[in-house]
Amino acid sequence: DAKTTQPPSMDCAEGRAANLPCNHSTISGNEYVYWYRQIHSQGPQYIIHGLKNNETNEMASLIITEDRKSSTLILPHATLRDTAVYYCIVTGQQTGANNLFFGTGTRLTVIP
Amino acid sequence: DTEVTQTPKHLVMGMTNKKSLKCEQHMGHRAMYWYKQKAKKPPELMFVYSYEKLSINESVPSRFSPECPNSSLLNLHLHALQPEDSALYLCASSQQGLMTEAFFGQGTRLTVV
Repeated sequence: DAKTTQPPSMDCAEGRAANLPCNHSTISGNEYVYWYRQIHSQGPQYIIHGLKNNETNEMASLIITEDRKSSTLILPHATLRDTAVYYCIVTGQQTGANNLFFGTGTRLTVIP
Repeated sequence: DTEVTQTPKHLVMGMTNKKSLKCEQHMGHRAMYWYKQKAKKPPELMFVYSYEKLSINESVPSRFSPECPNSSLLNLHLHALQPEDSALYLCASSQQGLMTEAFFGQGTRLTVV
């Protein structure tokens, strides 16, 4: 069973920041939070991952709460090409680092 | 080269056919994966290979038979499939034992008639 809860859908205006929340209240100390996205009819694409510190890369920022029970993926300036399903996944070495068990994700629609 | 290549892109097969899906990567990854994705659903993990050995089988029916002939190739042999097996089959690869990213192919869209 997926260990995360995400809203099923969100809209974001083009050029604005998209903030995608994820709850993972049962996360254990050695588990990471990963974000992937899947653009229609393509394979999933890695975005970012983190353990407890906030992370930033060229695609997005990941903000993890201090208790690690939730996180937010931030796309700073959403474009139409960011329209996709975004998956928040909790995984760790015990599960197998990339044995990914996807939840239902959030369908983000970027509106012109 | 950060690409995972899957062939064919589309496949239509009858229920009595035998076919194979192929996946190739040249990133030196020693972990490779098969996922199945039904329409409007998330991907579901099927098989995991680690150093060319099957390490995880997520209770997949025996009509799906994976094979990892070498560290760059992963096959999925299909036999006697049912129409409900129609789906997008995704291959992925990653480094083994590290908390890094997985790279996914574009998938093979399979239709069983």
